[in-house]
Amino acid sequence: DTAVSQTPKYLVTQMGNDKSIKCEQNLGHDTMYWYKQDSKKFLKIMFSYNNKELIINETVPNRFSPKSPDKAHLNLHINSLELGDSAVYFCASSQDSAGGQFFGPGTRLTVL
Amino acid sequence: QKEVEQNSGPLSVPEGAIASLNCTYSDRGSQSFFWYRQYSGKSPELIMSIYSNGDKEDGRFTAQLNKASQYVSLLIRDSQPSDSATYLCRVAGGGNKLTFGTGTQLKVEL
Repeated sequence: DTAVSQTPKYLVTQMGNDKSIKCEQNLGHDTMYWYKQDSKKFLKIMFSYNNKELIINETVPNRFSPKSPDKAHLNLHINSLELGDSAVYFCASSQDSAGGQFFGPGTRLTVL
Repeated sequence: QKEVEQNSGPLSVPEGAIASLNCTYSDRGSQSFFWYRQYSGKSPELIMSIYSNGDKEDGRFTAQLNKASQYVSLLIRDSQPSDSATYLCRVAGGGNKLTFGTGTQLKVEL
């Protein structure tokens, strides 16, 4: 009965690899997000989708590519991983783009 | 000027006291205001939302919004050690890019 789920919870990989993080919400929300939280704990928006359409695309390297196959899923694919990509990545969802957000448990990505 | 600003703290209060957390924002068109609590190593959790001027109370939490002065506050009454966490402010609507504030670390001391 998890509301927003992410897999994997931990991801350790080498520089240059490609990896994906998956997110699913069962709240019936229309809007989903990806956030990055770095070592300084600042939570920064990366992408937002509303009903499978991209509505926010912040200044993020194009190595990061979100994909929303349906409004309950938002996946994040990262190509050519770099050391600076190490962070915790949170998926979130909300009823609409102005509503309160519900967060997944996070994926801790470590690039070696 | 940052879109959403918070004092990073730490803010230390004794157990049983009122903790007052503040957040200011720059976009006058902002319409929705949220407070999240994040424990160390956990994900942010929505604890309060407020949309109109005035106070909104939920248990020990009170959110206060003043759009003219462009600030939103969170009061925690009868603070408990379990309230020790980072509190994040988020402002939505208008031209905001859904940016969170940097968060205020609250420590409730015995």
